Amino acid sequence: AQSVTQPDIHITVSEGASLELRCNYSYGATPYLFWYVQSPGQGLQLLLKYFSGDTLVQGIKGFEAEFKKSETSFHLTKPSAHMSDAAEYFCVVRGVYNDMRFGAGTRLTVKP
Amino acid sequence: KAGVTQTPRYLIKTRGQQVTLSCSPISGHRSVSWYQQTPGQGLQFLFEYFSETQRNKGNFPGRFSGRQFSNSRSEMNVSTLELGDSALYLCASSLGGHRGNTEAFFGQGTRLTVV
Repeated sequence: AQSVTQPDIHITVSEGASLELRCNYSYGATPYLFWYVQSPGQGLQLLLKYFSGDTLVQGIKGFEAEFKKSETSFHLTKPSAHMSDAAEYFCVVRGVYNDMRFGAGTRLTVKP
Repeated sequence: KAGVTQTPRYLIKTRGQQVTLSCSPISGHRSVSWYQQTPGQGLQFLFEYFSETQRNKGNFPGRFSGRQFSNSRSEMNVSTLELGDSALYLCASSLGGHRGNTEAFFGQGTRLTVV
């Protein structure tokens, strides 16, 4: 069965510093992978997705992620964090019938 | 184009009651899936509907049920509510199809509190 591991529950970075949120997946075939962001009390917004092709995917708000099949990873990165990036981030693998399996989430705090 | 609409946004119910939540997908989307979000268990998949048929179901008791109408709108029902059912319930819509390369769009959620 497909699953996702986000090993970091909470990450703190300084404004302007680079950030990396880690994600490892388990899936029998080539997965469909996503990163979503959730601000407090809000729904989920899609940051980026990987279906196939180029393994480095660009998303909104300056985020990008690289699909590494050999490492079963899909880490999310951003070169320069903004205060507005503070939120909870979820890595997701999607199964056969649109059943998405979420990681536990990583809460990102950005210090001034 | 309108996004995914969930109603109501907030709900307070008493233990033992039942509740129905509604989700209107994006126009043209035929797949609706439901998720429960709690601090302890995180985001968990409940079930997914496509063209009025339930295609997949997560590991939840039979008290949780759903349906989808011909216009793709979906409802989720929870009977005999328990305190542990307090959660944010999110629905997501997508074009659907078998593992099509389409993304899911989420509604704002319904915050259910069971007292």
